[in-house]
Amino acid sequence: AQRVTQPEKLLSVFKGAPVELKCNYSYSGSPELFWYVQYSRQRLQLLLRHISRESIKGFTADLNKGETSFHLKKPFAQEEDSAMYYCALAQTGANNLFFGTGTRLTVIP
Amino acid sequence: KAGVTQTPRYLIKTRGQQVTLSCSPISGHRSVSWYQQTPGQGLQFLFEYFSETQRNKGNFPGRFSGRQFSNSRSEMNVSTLELGDSALYLCASSLAEALEQYFGPGTRLTVT
Repeated sequence: AQRVTQPEKLLSVFKGAPVELKCNYSYSGSPELFWYVQYSRQRLQLLLRHISRESIKGFTADLNKGETSFHLKKPFAQEEDSAMYYCALAQTGANNLFFGTGTRLTVIP
Repeated sequence: KAGVTQTPRYLIKTRGQQVTLSCSPISGHRSVSWYQQTPGQGLQFLFEYFSETQRNKGNFPGRFSGRQFSNSRSEMNVSTLELGDSALYLCASSLAEALEQYFGPGTRLTVT
């Protein structure tokens, strides 16, 4: 069975400080991993996916298969980064996203 | 391009009733997935439809069912409603497997 774990429910950082949101997964196959974000009063939207290896809004995430992790990082947090962040896993070739419980990030001005 | 739309946005039902929720995907998207979001369980995958066929199913009882029409619009039905079915039901559409899913605003179902 697949499982996604986000150990921090809440995370607060000061503006300009580095931020790391942790995500660990368990899955016997080759997972597709994603970070989704939900800003206040907006829809859930894709932030980035591991296969594209691109940086969105300054965020990056590296898949570490040895540690089964997909942590989200940004070197300098901005106030507009305050949001709910969800790590998600899809089974190989499927559209069935399994979400972690989410981390609410607050960037303190 | 218009986003994913869901109707109705809010719904109040009584235990034992049934309910049908509707989702219109982004034009050209043939995959529609449904999720249930609750404070206790978080976001949970219900099922996915592609070209009118259920392709994946989550771990929900048979009271939860769905279908997809030839225009890719999808409906989700919950029969014999229970208090625990109170949740935000999200629909998402995608062009293909494991690509970006675009989420709708959700339907807030309250069961009393």
